[in-house]
Amino acid sequence: EAQVTQNPRYLITVTGKKLTVTCSQNMNHEYMSWYRQDPGLGLRQIYYSMNVEVTDKGDVPEGYKVSRKEKRNFPLILESPSPNQTSLYFCASSSLGRLAGLSEQYFGPGTRLTVT
Amino acid sequence: KQEVTQIPAALSVPEGENLVLNCSFTDSAIYNLQWFRQDPGKGLTSLLLIQSSQREQTSGRLNASLDKSSGRSTLYIAASQPGDSATYLCAVGGRAGGTSYGKLTFGQGTILTVHP
Repeated sequence: EAQVTQNPRYLITVTGKKLTVTCSQNMNHEYMSWYRQDPGLGLRQIYYSMNVEVTDKGDVPEGYKVSRKEKRNFPLILESPSPNQTSLYFCASSSLGRLAGLSEQYFGPGTRLTVT
Repeated sequence: KQEVTQIPAALSVPEGENLVLNCSFTDSAIYNLQWFRQDPGKGLTSLLLIQSSQREQTSGRLNASLDKSSGRSTLYIAASQPGDSATYLCAVGGRAGGTSYGKLTFGQGTILTVHP
């Protein structure tokens, strides 16, 4: 089954304790991306990757890191989490269409992160 | 910077009614536009994808149109059902060579409630 998986699904942590949220897709997609969703602010893009070893900042990259060492995986790293990073996080992937544009996006189930 | 607006923010209709959700964007240099559905606490499910060269796409009771020159898209839902109740999001993908290449910009969503 074609899918995007995220782990963990729920996480409660304390300020400053490094954490990693994993994202994996089994569709051989070139493009992967991370979003956060907050009430009143909607979905905002954190980082995206057009292919292995190619990453770029989205609209809200501060406080986050990513890496793309393998095509299927795109982990999101919070080196020193703070309470304002409490949010619902989504990973997504897609192939690149004609002229290298983004095709249909497939989203993971989400990770609900609480930083106290 | 691309900005996406969805109107109305919320909509409540009786079952069986036909309805229209609106999405507008500020930068017409897009690659495509996607409509998603999100159920409470869940991930996003892609409904329709319209390429920038297309005028509309249809899937079952859903029809999405795109007027790139005016920066507008509409999602038409025919014969609405209680199971259509969800948040509907539109997202615009930037085209290669543009300033938004690789980015997916979301609207805030329309919360739809269809009551029996």
